This record gives sequence, C-alpha cells and structure tokens, in this order.
Amino acid sequence: NAGVMQNPRHLVRRRGQEARLRCSPMKGHSHVYWYRQLPEEGLKFMVYLQKENIIDESGMPKERFSAEFPKEGPSILRIQQVVRGDSAAYFCASSLMGRMNTEAFFGQGTRLTVV
Amino acid sequence: DAKTTQPNSMESNEEEPVHLPCNHSTISGTDYIHWYRQLPSQGPEYVIHGLTSNVNNRMASLAIAEDRKSSTLILHRATLRDAAVYYCTYGSGNTPLVFGKGTRLSVIA
Repeated sequence: NAGVMQNPRHLVRRRGQEARLRCSPMKGHSHVYWYRQLPEEGLKFMVYLQKENIIDESGMPKERFSAEFPKEGPSILRIQQVVRGDSAAYFCASSLMGRMNTEAFFGQGTRLTVV
Repeated sequence: DAKTTQPNSMESNEEEPVHLPCNHSTISGTDYIHWYRQLPSQGPEYVIHGLTSNVNNRMASLAIAEDRKSSTLILHRATLRDAAVYYCTYGSGNTPLVFGKGTRLSVIA
C-alpha cells in the first residue's frame, strides 16, 4: 500500500505564474490536509478536505489560494499569481477517519520555489 | 488552536534514553495528545498518541501527566536516525493537527 504521494517533489515558478500541487492520499483515506512550511519554521495548517467538501479552510490565505479534492483523482492545491513569499514546502497528509484518535500520514512534500 | 510549549532544542548521546517534554496547559478533557517528528528534508512522521494513560509502541513511549497539562515523549535508546524535529500537539473531534515549532533533537555519536 503506497503512502501519501505528492508531486511534483520540486516546482519552480516565475512570479505571476500558477502553481498546481497534487496529493494522492493513502488508499481508502478520504480526509486530506494541506500544510505549508516556510524555511526554518514549523508546519502551518492550511486546509482540510473530505472528498468533494472543504471542511476547514481557516489557514488558507484569502486570495490566490484554492484547494479541491474531487470524487476521482488527487487533491489539488492551486496557487495563482505566485509571489516570492509563496516559496515554501507544501505537505499533504491523509487520514482514514478524520478524527483526532487516529494517526495522519504525510507525504514527502512539494518544494515550491518562486523566482 | 492547540497551544504547546516545547524546548527549542535538546541534545542526547547515542544509545541513551531521551525525554522530550511538552506543556499543553489549555488541553481539554477530550483532546488527544499527538507526537510527530520530521527528519531533515522529509515529511512529518507519526510517532505516538494518547488520551489519558501512558502509551507504548515500537518507536517510543508517551507519559501523560495526571492532570494532562504536560506529557513526555520517551525514546528509550536514541540512535543517529532519531535526530529530527519533534512536534507535540493535541486536539479532538475533526479538528486538524496544529503544530508549533517543535524540539530539534540532536544525537551525538
């Protein structure tokens, strides 16, 4: 059973371009979480999705960022018109139950560099 | 948001036990305590979680204070592969995990 798969592992975008980050959760997991980690910082929660629904987006910037988790296919984190400050590692996690009495499994992350 | 206090860094000798403390004084009765770790250039990895009583698994032990306002992650014999940032967090229901800056553990050979 493959773990959480994120791609691409590294992504370089010029300022103003769009970045699309993909996350395939573990098989059978319907709960997906996205986190951002700036260099030398901790993990910051961005958004929690459960198949086709956004459950909690309290950590998402109000503009340029969006996330989806369609019925078929991976979850996508989309950043429009990227700026240098968006350069970070973006991690996706999935869980089976979406409750705090279970563990979450993280992917290896996508490292976004905006030049 | 889960508010935890952890030392910024700790150091341990290889093969020695390590006790990583965490204060979570605002924890509620239904909140589970979770520990994750992040090795360099890797995604976070689950270590252990618990509610009230102490927990053991193949990676570590979790000692939870009686008032639940603090907990300690115990690595029984540190190895070089245990060098990582260790995060303590807590929550209940469907709330997502919220992480602080964690403790950076260095292991000396």
